Amino acid sequence: EAQVTQNPRYLITVTGKKLTVTCSQNMNHEYMSWYRQDPGLGLRQIYYSMNVEVTDKGDVPEGYKVSRKEKRNFPLILESPSPNQTSLYFCASSLGGPILNTEAFFGQGTRLTVV
Amino acid sequence: DAKTTQPPSMDCAEGRAANLPCNHSTISGNEYVYWYRQIHSQGPQYIIHGLKNNETNEMASLIITEDRKSSTLILPHATLRDTAVYYCIVSRPGAGNKLTFGGGTRVLVKP
Repeated sequence: EAQVTQNPRYLITVTGKKLTVTCSQNMNHEYMSWYRQDPGLGLRQIYYSMNVEVTDKGDVPEGYKVSRKEKRNFPLILESPSPNQTSLYFCASSLGGPILNTEAFFGQGTRLTVV
Repeated sequence: DAKTTQPPSMDCAEGRAANLPCNHSTISGNEYVYWYRQIHSQGPQYIIHGLKNNETNEMASLIITEDRKSSTLILPHATLRDTAVYYCIVSRPGAGNKLTFGGGTRVLVKP
């Protein structure tokens, strides 16, 4: 089954304690992205990757890092989480290229609380 | 990417067609119109997309006006499980498939 898998689904952590949210897709997609969703602000892109070793900032990259060492994995790293990073996070992947435009598949989300 | 404008909410009777409008008057020639929906706090789900022709799949139909400045998503026979927030998005190729989500339309399907 084609899917995007995020882990963990729920996480409560303390300010400053480094954490990683994993994302894996089994569709051999080139493009992967991370979004955060906050009430009243909708979904905003944090980082995206067009292929292995190619990443770029989205709209709200501050406080986050990503890496794309393998095509299937795109972890989101919070080096020093703060309470304003409490949010619902989604990973997405899609097959695409310079002229293609295809549907994106989203993971089920990770609800992060930073206290 | 072009911005979109959608009504914030609408109700629909179960079994009836739901017509969801979207304005994208600044859309450029190579931008596609996408529709996604999000049920409660689940991950957004792709519904349909198109460039200039009308499109239909097993979930919905997409009607794009000739000038491409607006579109309508049609759910032909709404069910209670179609209750969700529906997002109309325009996206250009080569943009990392970046999706810019607006406020969407909150659709409530009533029995």
